[in-house]
Amino acid sequence: DTGVSQNPRHKITKRGQNVTFRCDPISEHNRLYWYRQTLGQGPEFLTYFQNEAQLEKSRLLSDRFSAERPKGSFSTLEIQRTEQGDSAMYLCATNRYSEEKLFFGSGTQLSVL
Amino acid sequence: QQQVKQSPQSLIVQKGGISIINCAYENTAFDYFPWYQQFPGKGPALLIAIRPDVSEKKEGRFTISFNKSAKQFSLHIMDSQPGDSATYFCAANYGGATNKLIFGTGTLLAVQP
Repeated sequence: DTGVSQNPRHKITKRGQNVTFRCDPISEHNRLYWYRQTLGQGPEFLTYFQNEAQLEKSRLLSDRFSAERPKGSFSTLEIQRTEQGDSAMYLCATNRYSEEKLFFGSGTQLSVL
Repeated sequence: QQQVKQSPQSLIVQKGGISIINCAYENTAFDYFPWYQQFPGKGPALLIAIRPDVSEKKEGRFTISFNKSAKQFSLHIMDSQPGDSATYFCAANYGGATNKLIFGTGTLLAVQP
């Protein structure tokens, strides 16, 4: 257990529904990243926060995706109007500013039917 | 240029043998090259990492060899054990001071007893 907690672990939803995932970082980690991993592929960067500020978003993050990190603590990733192509493992990773080692959570596996 | 190519896709090694996984990249701006280990249902965990100004780094049974001129790097697992059976990802940091990693496609390693 890395100390990065993600909930839920699994989410099954119907196409068109909205879903929200939560990530609780290691307490002293001020950077938080979201990655997406599809079956048989490596994780792909989606977005990252430094404290409460969202500093960068990948082109992979369509308008249906929104992420927040209120007060620089936990983060949420919301997907609106889910599509079957959104089915993937959504991974959260955290670290301290200026440290390179990323600590990944166990992810939320999303299945869109 | 933003790709990291990893091979082989899968690898079977006998217990006690050496596992070798290779990666290649194009973008010379990459400045940090980690290897991650991932077990089923878990997030990736950092195994070992190297910077391009170093040609080799060893930690226990794990060694990274780095060839800057060829833009290639590899992971060697000495005395491979069944507990090493997992998926291994090479990655490269393209985000400078941030940990925006681009991952390879992964190698599924099976160590037979």
